[in-house]
Amino acid sequence: GQSLEQPSEVTAVEGAIVQINCTYQTSGFYGLSWYQQHDGGAPTFLSYNALDGLEETGRFSSFLSRSDSYGYLLLQELQMKDSASYFCAVRDVRSGGYNKLIFGAGTRLAVHP
Amino acid sequence: KAGVTQTPRYLIKTRGQQVTLSCSPISGHRSVSWYQQTPGQGLQFLFEYFSETQRNKGNFPGRFSGRQFSNSRSEMNVSTLELGDSALYLCASSTGATSNTGELFFGEGSRLTVL
Repeated sequence: GQSLEQPSEVTAVEGAIVQINCTYQTSGFYGLSWYQQHDGGAPTFLSYNALDGLEETGRFSSFLSRSDSYGYLLLQELQMKDSASYFCAVRDVRSGGYNKLIFGAGTRLAVHP
Repeated sequence: KAGVTQTPRYLIKTRGQQVTLSCSPISGHRSVSWYQQTPGQGLQFLFEYFSETQRNKGNFPGRFSGRQFSNSRSEMNVSTLELGDSALYLCASSTGATSNTGELFFGEGSRLTVL
């Protein structure tokens, strides 16, 4: 089957840098996505990596190593508003499900002053 | 551009009842998928519809069903509700048959409580 592992909780202070890791096991790989979800809110798309390397979008960056089945989300210059849950996800393409995502259990990030 | 709209936002039902949840995708989006989110299980895929056809189904019992209309709006139905069906039900839309970036646009969900 397909599964993703990520830490359940991470704590950091404002202005710091935090890295949220994600390891995955899939029978076929079509990219790793990251989503952010604030309490009571909708998950929102942050980034997508299909190839190895680092993708940067403002304060957020995402990294992928396909050979290691590993990726991470890097958040820089942390702000209080970054306190949220972060999910990594892969697409389950075995059944042609390009829009069927398998999610990790989520990492709850708490940013403190 | 309006986002994904889900109704109702909150509802309370009792065991044995049924419930219908509605989702209006972003205009122009033809794919709608549904996810169940619970504290213990995270986000679990329920099913995906594209052009009124169910393309994929997750590992949920037959009590969970859905459909998509010609205007891409979608509904999901849960019959014979059980306590374990209490969850946040999220609808997500995307642009086309394949999503190159895996980007889904989620609604804020319908929070179902089963008593």
